[in-house]
Amino acid sequence: GESVGLHLPTLSVQEGDNSIINCAYSNSASDYFIWYKQESGKGPQFIIDIRSNMDKRQGQRVTVLLNKTVKHLSLQIAATQPGDSAVYFCAENISGGTSYGKLTFGQGTILTVHP
Amino acid sequence: NAGVMQNPRHLVRRRGQEARLRCSPMKGHSHVYWYRQLPEEGLKFMVYLQKENIIDESGMPKERFSAEFPKEGPSILRIQQVVRGDSAAYFCASSPQGATEAFFGQGTRLTVV
Repeated sequence: GESVGLHLPTLSVQEGDNSIINCAYSNSASDYFIWYKQESGKGPQFIIDIRSNMDKRQGQRVTVLLNKTVKHLSLQIAATQPGDSAVYFCAENISGGTSYGKLTFGQGTILTVHP
Repeated sequence: NAGVMQNPRHLVRRRGQEARLRCSPMKGHSHVYWYRQLPEEGLKFMVYLQKENIIDESGMPKERFSAEFPKEGPSILRIQQVVRGDSAAYFCASSPQGATEAFFGQGTRLTVV
């Protein structure tokens, strides 16, 4: 079936470096994408979202890029800090109805930031 | 404004017992979603409810699992006759009408022994 998946299961970076986490999706009907951060023992925390009519969206220290041609999504974290260490999930949705919270999640990437 | 509240945070059940997981959505949110997360995996959608209505239960196992969101009180995910394979973290999310972002609770970690 169609799903959302990640290229890299783990990513280790030094504090202060920029981090890039990638995600591939296969459902061409998906038009809404979200990145979540999940710390150990906690629920997913919204980071940033993007709709399919956009290629790029920026937040505070984070940028999401969407390439619909190759069905690829990435999360860039600038000046990564130890507090950014967590599992990062991409998730997709198909809007147009009322099931906005019905998301398909990828497997996750473990980001470890070394001081 | 309190976030999505789930309880209990941890639940241990013996095989064959029933597990009841509760979720109180954020104030003003009328949509509730339940997800299951197995160790080392992403979250999997189970069910989507509005007050007194199940809208989408396409992710629910056909047997032993049920969910409700009554007019008053929290949403309940009920698992009857639990088996070890039910051990997982169960997350609830809520959103207001027409919103695109769902807010997650801290989860209930179910362990079946």
